[in-house]
Amino acid sequence: DAKTTQPPSMDCAEGRAANLPCNHSTISGNEYVYWYRQIHSQGPQYIIHGLKNNETNEMASLIITEDRKSSTLILPHATLRDTAVYYCIVRVEYGNQFYFGTGTSLTVIP
Amino acid sequence: DAGVTQSPTHLIKTRGQQVTLRCSPKSGHDTVSWYQQALGQGPQFIFQYYEEEERQRGNFPDRFSGHQFPNYSSELNVNALLLGDSALYLCASSSVSDRRRDTQYFGPGTRLTVL
Repeated sequence: DAKTTQPPSMDCAEGRAANLPCNHSTISGNEYVYWYRQIHSQGPQYIIHGLKNNETNEMASLIITEDRKSSTLILPHATLRDTAVYYCIVRVEYGNQFYFGTGTSLTVIP
Repeated sequence: DAGVTQSPTHLIKTRGQQVTLRCSPKSGHDTVSWYQQALGQGPQFIFQYYEEEERQRGNFPDRFSGHQFPNYSSELNVNALLLGDSALYLCASSSVSDRRRDTQYFGPGTRLTVL
């Protein structure tokens, strides 16, 4: 079962930062936070993951609270191509399957 | 470097038939996981193959079976198809043997329609 809670939908203006929240209050010490996104009817695309430190890559930044009970995915300058369903997932890093919830449907508005 | 590939792209079957879906993992990956995604839902884990054996299995009936070949490619077989098996079937590859490459990368999926 999914161990995360996300808002079902969000809007963001094109060019602005999109901040997608995720609650994972039952996360264990050895579980990582992963973010994927899925553009309509395509396979999920890996975005970023982290354990407790903030992470940044070419796609996004991941901010994890100090107690690790929640996190925020930040798309710094949203474009129309960022319109997708975003999934927040927690799991042990090594070898286990992902439990997807229903995610957040992000719509970037021109 | 080719990513994860799946075939066919689309498939239409009738109830009671059997279907085989195929997946080739990303170069350097040795583990294949299969997911089922019904319309409007997140992907649901079916099973994972590593070293040609099923390592983990989700809550799916025995009608769902799989195989992994020595070249790490994989097949998903579904017998006695039901209308409820209509879904997008996703394959994801990763490298269990290399923890730096444990992140799962997904293919484009196979859209199965059961009539």
